[in-house]
Amino acid sequence: QQPVQSPQAVILREGEDAVINCSSSKALYSVHWYRQKHGEAPVFLMILLKGGEQKGHEKISASFNEKKQQSSLYLTASQLSYSGTYFCGTEMITGGGNKLTFGTGTQLKVEL
Amino acid sequence: EAQVTQNPRYLITVTGKKLTVTCSQNMNHEYMSWYRQDPGLGLRQIYYSMNVEVTDKGDVPEGYKVSRKEKRNFPLILESPSPNQTSLYFCASSGTVNTEAFFGQGTRLTVV
Repeated sequence: QQPVQSPQAVILREGEDAVINCSSSKALYSVHWYRQKHGEAPVFLMILLKGGEQKGHEKISASFNEKKQQSSLYLTASQLSYSGTYFCGTEMITGGGNKLTFGTGTQLKVEL
Repeated sequence: EAQVTQNPRYLITVTGKKLTVTCSQNMNHEYMSWYRQDPGLGLRQIYYSMNVEVTDKGDVPEGYKVSRKEKRNFPLILESPSPNQTSLYFCASSGTVNTEAFFGQGTRLTVV
């Protein structure tokens, strides 16, 4: 079952902040975040493991609340290069072993 | 250079003609998976493999087959392609399910 991402799309002016949310109805072991630019493959941003930790990657950080089965990606002081589609991936346990399921994506556009 | 290689990049075929999309990684990764990407639906997992000879269905396995006879290769087989399998396909590999995934460049498949 795919995690739910919100918002579906967002437009920012350069320098503004944004938050992208990801939630699941199932217990999660980890949450992944990827960014995909138009016509390219998704590229890894970060992974958050169980424990509610927050990770950072330059001006992009994320949190993971395992009790609420939610994660949020924070983009601060956005740059034009942040434009793209952001996907969260959630790791869940299944009968065949843990698997990674991606959400439907959030389209982010940063304008001057 | 660490990479995941998919072939072909583009393919147009006719309904019912069997085809194989190859995927190879040079990072000695255990975990490999196939996704299809359609507008508005995000990345949906077709099959995944936790290691050699162990594969399991993802969220949309109907109409697809895979095999994992050796660690580096994970081909996707469409025995009888149909137009609803027209999509952008990505192969991905990672050390385990909760480590960074590397994506191939994608295969754009059109079934007419």
